[in-house]
Amino acid sequence: GAGVSQSPRYKVAKRGQDVALRCDPISGHVSLFWYQQALGQGPEFLTYFQNEAQLDKSGLPSDRFFAERPEGSVSTLKIQRTQQEDSAVYLCASSFRSSYNSPLHFGNGTRLTVT
Amino acid sequence: DAKTTQPTSMDCAEGRAANLPCNHSTISGNEYVYWYRQIHSQGPQYIIDCLKNNETNEMASLIITEDRKSSTLILPHATLRDTAVYYCIVRTSGAGSYQLTFGKGTKLSVIP
Repeated sequence: GAGVSQSPRYKVAKRGQDVALRCDPISGHVSLFWYQQALGQGPEFLTYFQNEAQLDKSGLPSDRFFAERPEGSVSTLKIQRTQQEDSAVYLCASSFRSSYNSPLHFGNGTRLTVT
Repeated sequence: DAKTTQPTSMDCAEGRAANLPCNHSTISGNEYVYWYRQIHSQGPQYIIDCLKNNETNEMASLIITEDRKSSTLILPHATLRDTAVYYCIVRTSGAGSYQLTFGKGTKLSVIP
């Protein structure tokens, strides 16, 4: 079956521009996660949704970052007034349940470059 | 979540078994050990997990010591496509169990 799909695959933005990154999770998956991965580092947690409810946004680095999942399926991560330090790969993951024994399935990410 | 320690890098000859160690000496009784790998330019891929007992699936085997303070991921016959960064993660079954906390992992290079 289809995995987690992210678009665009690559995004180049000029500093100060707003960007929107899309995630289509696996159908029927309750939980959705966004991670940020800097070059040479492991992914770092940004935010977590259970259905349409954003239950944890403790990893969002600033108030320029905003995520939504209005109908409990597709999610969008928006970054306002992008800065160079926002350059990274943004990974989306989904899981069937929100429990410890439900593996996360990741998409291939969106590579954001801010110039 | 308990912290994990992994070697920075390892090499393995193609066709041989790759044994990737992970130390998690502060693991609690309700914490799972998860392994993921990340091939270049792809997202992390789930491999296997366990709580107390060894596990095997079509991708790998996970051997955990009786005291649960360390584990080894075994790829029985490594191929060039197994070249990736391998992450060992300890995941709580309590509050916040939805999260995975990644470290820097082990870069495995499979050599022809």
